[in-house]
Amino acid sequence: DAKTTQPNSMESNEEEPVHLPCNHSTISGTDYIHWYRQLPSQGPEYVIHGLTSNVNNRMASLAIAEDRKSSTLILHRATLRDAAVYYCILRGDMRFGAGTRLTVKP
Amino acid sequence: NAGVTQTPKFQVLKTGQSMTLQCAQDMNHNSMYWYRQDPGMGLRLIYYSASEGTTDKGEVPNGYNVSRLNKREFSLRLESAAPSQTSVYFCASSEAPSGFYEQYFGPGTRLTVT
Repeated sequence: DAKTTQPNSMESNEEEPVHLPCNHSTISGTDYIHWYRQLPSQGPEYVIHGLTSNVNNRMASLAIAEDRKSSTLILHRATLRDAAVYYCILRGDMRFGAGTRLTVKP
Repeated sequence: NAGVTQTPKFQVLKTGQSMTLQCAQDMNHNSMYWYRQDPGMGLRLIYYSASEGTTDKGEVPNGYNVSRLNKREFSLRLESAAPSQTSVYFCASSEAPSGFYEQYFGPGTRLTVT
């Protein structure tokens, strides 16, 4: 089983922020937290990753809890193109769970 | 840059037939990976190659073999296909196996075994 736990689905309204949670209570000190997303009929696409500090890039922000047992992917303004399945994985484990299916409503 | 390319895009096999899925990357990455994704599920790692000349088993290696032909190419072979191998297969690459580096995925090969 994957070492991460995510909600099966979430909904958001267009142009509102979205916070996608991930629990990884058994994370080791060297595990990087990676987020990928998968649009229908496509391969997964890298979103962001981090180790201990919060990270920002042009796609999203990653907030990592101080004890590293959870993290949150933040999409600052959801668009219809952000509708996808979002996967949180521990890079050392390379196991993808079922992810969170994000629906964005216009 | 084409990134990660996979051939074929679609394939239908009969039980017992063999085939090889091809993957190539043009990013000069050291590490390459093969995953499978069953309907409604996440990806599961079949095999990976941390660097040219090395291969290692992942979570679900049974029924598959791999070859790291050179730095660019990593192939996946099904010697005797079974209906349970019906899936979408994704190849990925990364600069190195370390968690510091992200993975880049190909578009996938949709395989049906009847």
